[in-house]
Amino acid sequence: AQSVTQLGSHVSVSEGALVLLRCNYSSSVPPYLFWYVQYPNQGLQLLLKYTSAATLVKGINGFEAEFKKSETSFHLTKPSAHMSDAAEYFCAVNAGGTSYGKLTFGQGTILTVHP
Amino acid sequence: NAGVTQTPKFQVLKTGQSMTLQCAQDMNHNSMYWYRQDPGMGLRLIYYSASEGTTEKGEVPNGYNVSRLNKREFSLRLESAAPSQTSVYFCASSVGQGREKLFFGSGTQLSVL
Repeated sequence: AQSVTQLGSHVSVSEGALVLLRCNYSSSVPPYLFWYVQYPNQGLQLLLKYTSAATLVKGINGFEAEFKKSETSFHLTKPSAHMSDAAEYFCAVNAGGTSYGKLTFGQGTILTVHP
Repeated sequence: NAGVTQTPKFQVLKTGQSMTLQCAQDMNHNSMYWYRQDPGMGLRLIYYSASEGTTEKGEVPNGYNVSRLNKREFSLRLESAAPSQTSVYFCASSVGQGREKLFFGSGTQLSVL
């Protein structure tokens, strides 16, 4: 079975501050992990993807995430927030095996950026 | 580049009515998916299709049927709509199965009264 938990449904930061969005996963096999972003009234777009090649994954728009197996975490960070980063962010896992073909999403975290 | 196209964008139904949500992709992808998005629950998989002619139930298939008409098109049908099916529906596609990047449509906002 695979599952994802995102800690914090809302995160608020000031422009220029560090962004940290938390994601923990559960998987019985090495997982593929993803972060997607959803801007208002749009579909989801891929930010970055972990496929076991490297534990630190760099994505678009200055975001990155680190895979920590010991903590079963895949937190998303950005050193300096922009107003344009305001959106909803989803962590997702695919663990293959009987879950092959099925991507399980977390509950989402709404990021607000204050001037 | 159209990508994944969903129709309609908005729909209001009365309880018991039926309707079909249409989805088409022009990227020659093998896999297609239907998700529903509800506040605080993320996206939940309704059905997916790994290739033309095949479909498989996801996490929340009850009350829905799907058809993979050809490689491009994947439709979702509500035979007898219920208020619990009020949601935003997203179609997505990918080259392979689930471990590839998903490309999403812009969604259909459905209200069942």
